[in-house]
Amino acid sequence: EAQVTQNPRYLITVTGKKLTVTCSQNMNHEYMSWYRQDPGLGLRQIYYSMNVEVTDKGDVPEGYKVSRKEKRNFPLILESPSPNQTSLYFCASSLTQRAWNEQFFGPGTRLTVL
Amino acid sequence: AQTVTQSQPEMSVQEAETVTLSCTYDTSENNYYLFWYKQPPSRQMILVIRQEAYKQQNATENRFSVNFQKAAKSFSLKISDSQLGDTAMYFCAFTNAGGTSYGKLTFGQGTILTVHP
Repeated sequence: EAQVTQNPRYLITVTGKKLTVTCSQNMNHEYMSWYRQDPGLGLRQIYYSMNVEVTDKGDVPEGYKVSRKEKRNFPLILESPSPNQTSLYFCASSLTQRAWNEQFFGPGTRLTVL
Repeated sequence: AQTVTQSQPEMSVQEAETVTLSCTYDTSENNYYLFWYKQPPSRQMILVIRQEAYKQQNATENRFSVNFQKAAKSFSLKISDSQLGDTAMYFCAFTNAGGTSYGKLTFGQGTILTVHP
């Protein structure tokens, strides 16, 4: 089944404790990105990657890191999480970054930073 | 920069009736795509319908249709014969078809739709 998977689905952590949210897709997509969803703000892009070893900042990159060492994986790293990073996170992928390629979303990761 | 605005935080409708969700956007681009996504309580983001700006004909997908007014920068979603399973948060989204958006979707704030039996 073609899908985007994320792990964990739920995570409660404390300020400053490094964490990684994994994202994997099995559709051989070149383009992957991360969004965060906050009430009243919709979804906002954090980082994106157009292919292996090609990543760039989205609209809200502060406090996050990403890497793209393999085509299928695009982990999101919070090196020192803070309470303002409490949010719902989505990974998405599409064949390319072209607008007409449908973007497929993962199931979301609910992160709480205490 | 592009912006997307959904001015209705919440809407409700009776089962089998019709409801329209509003969306306006702002862009200086001429070629772009607009989308409506559904997010049910499961949180999964589901593409409902999309519209290419250069196509004048409004997109339709079964009970879902859009009213795309390019000059007014308006993109509303009409749900006909509403069903209980349509209860969800609905997001309007925009992406530039040119090279500068790099695949980014710009989302509105969302509208919570509740369908009552």
